[in-house]
Amino acid sequence: KQEVTQIPAALSVPEGENLVLNCSFTDSAIYNLQWFRQDPGKGLTSLLLIQSSQREQTSGRLNASLDKSSGRSTLYIAASQPGDSATYLCAVSPSNFGNEKLTFGTGTRLTIIP
Amino acid sequence: DGGITQSPKYLFRKEGQNVTLSCEQNLNHDAMYWYRQDPGQGLRLIYYSQIVNDFQKGDIAEGYSVSREKKESFPLTVTSAQKNPTAFYLCASSRRGWERYNEQFFGPGTRLTVL
Repeated sequence: KQEVTQIPAALSVPEGENLVLNCSFTDSAIYNLQWFRQDPGKGLTSLLLIQSSQREQTSGRLNASLDKSSGRSTLYIAASQPGDSATYLCAVSPSNFGNEKLTFGTGTRLTIIP
Repeated sequence: DGGITQSPKYLFRKEGQNVTLSCEQNLNHDAMYWYRQDPGQGLRLIYYSQIVNDFQKGDIAEGYSVSREKKESFPLTVTSAQKNPTAFYLCASSRRGWERYNEQFFGPGTRLTVL
């Protein structure tokens, strides 16, 4: 059974710093990995999707990398801003199913200190 | 604007009642999903549908029911058989469920509380 872990559960950094969020998964047979952002009491916003054949994806100040063999993904946020404060979730889809079987981590709650 | 809407935002249920959560999308997506989110836990899949008039159980389907009569709509009924229904419920959709690279997009959620 796939398990997705995000450590730490919470992280606080001063504004302007670059930071890395971690996601690890136990079964490397994945088809894609998706990073989401969730603000308190809100739905999820898709940030980046990395296909299993890719090593990384970039969108603005965000860069996500994927290392399937080691079961790890990182989300790099450059020049952090207070508006980046949110919970960040990663989710993986298994290679033997379609996209419907996403397994989520419990998230990292990020606070950017002005 | 294209997107996913969920209603109501907050819902209160008395024990023994069935309640229905609404999810509508105008993204022309074929696949739709229902997830449950509890504090300290990851999202868990309740039901999903890849096409109209077809749906499949997820990991925690007991006590829930769904229908998919229209492409745009995927309502979730929380029945009295669900023992612990208090949670945040999220609806999502994707372009085609069997195309594995498709992103899932989420609605704003419904918070259900049992009184």
